[in-house]
Amino acid sequence: SQTIHQWPATLVQPVGSPLSLECTVEGTSNPNLYWYRQAAGRGLQLLFYSVGIGQISSEVPQNLSASRPQDRQFILSSKKLLLSDSGFYLCAWSAGQGISEQYFGPGTRLTVT
Amino acid sequence: ELKVEQNPLFLSMQEGKNYTIYCNYSTTSDRLYWYRQDPGKSLESLFVLLSNGAVKQEGRLMASLDTKARLSTLHITAAVHDLSATYFCAVSLGNQFYFGTGTSLTVIP
Repeated sequence: SQTIHQWPATLVQPVGSPLSLECTVEGTSNPNLYWYRQAAGRGLQLLFYSVGIGQISSEVPQNLSASRPQDRQFILSSKKLLLSDSGFYLCAWSAGQGISEQYFGPGTRLTVT
Repeated sequence: ELKVEQNPLFLSMQEGKNYTIYCNYSTTSDRLYWYRQDPGKSLESLFVLLSNGAVKQEGRLMASLDTKARLSTLHITAAVHDLSATYFCAVSLGNQFYFGTGTSLTVIP
């Protein structure tokens, strides 16, 4: 069966510090991978998605970036965090082909102070 | 860009009552998803609706899809406290998923 991992689970970082969040998927090959952010009490904002290694599509211009160094690994980064980067970051995957639903990881709660 | 609207945004209902959450989307899509999110938790998949007229039921929740009207409904029957959560609908187009704003449901004893 497939599983998706995210770490860390929670993170408190000062403004201006760097960020690296990691997401890995097990039990599937060539998944589509997604990063979402959810502000407190709000809906999901798609940040990045990837259909393959090294292929990243950005949905919202911001100070965040994403990379996919391996087939089942997706990394969200920032060189300098802003207060507005606080939120709940969710990684998700879906099958690369055919009709498929999206499966979410447990999330990382980021607080920028 | 595909837009997905849910209503109501907030719903407070008494135990035992019935209610419906609506999800409208702006562009043709044959794939509609419903998710549940408990406070502080990730999203849990509830239903996947893949064709016009599709209906799926799980316990007190029933979801339906009308692709011609671009409308999906999530019907709650005889609500219980355990159903309190935020419910999201989502529509997929190609590789992307577009989410509604969510409906925060509170079931009051």
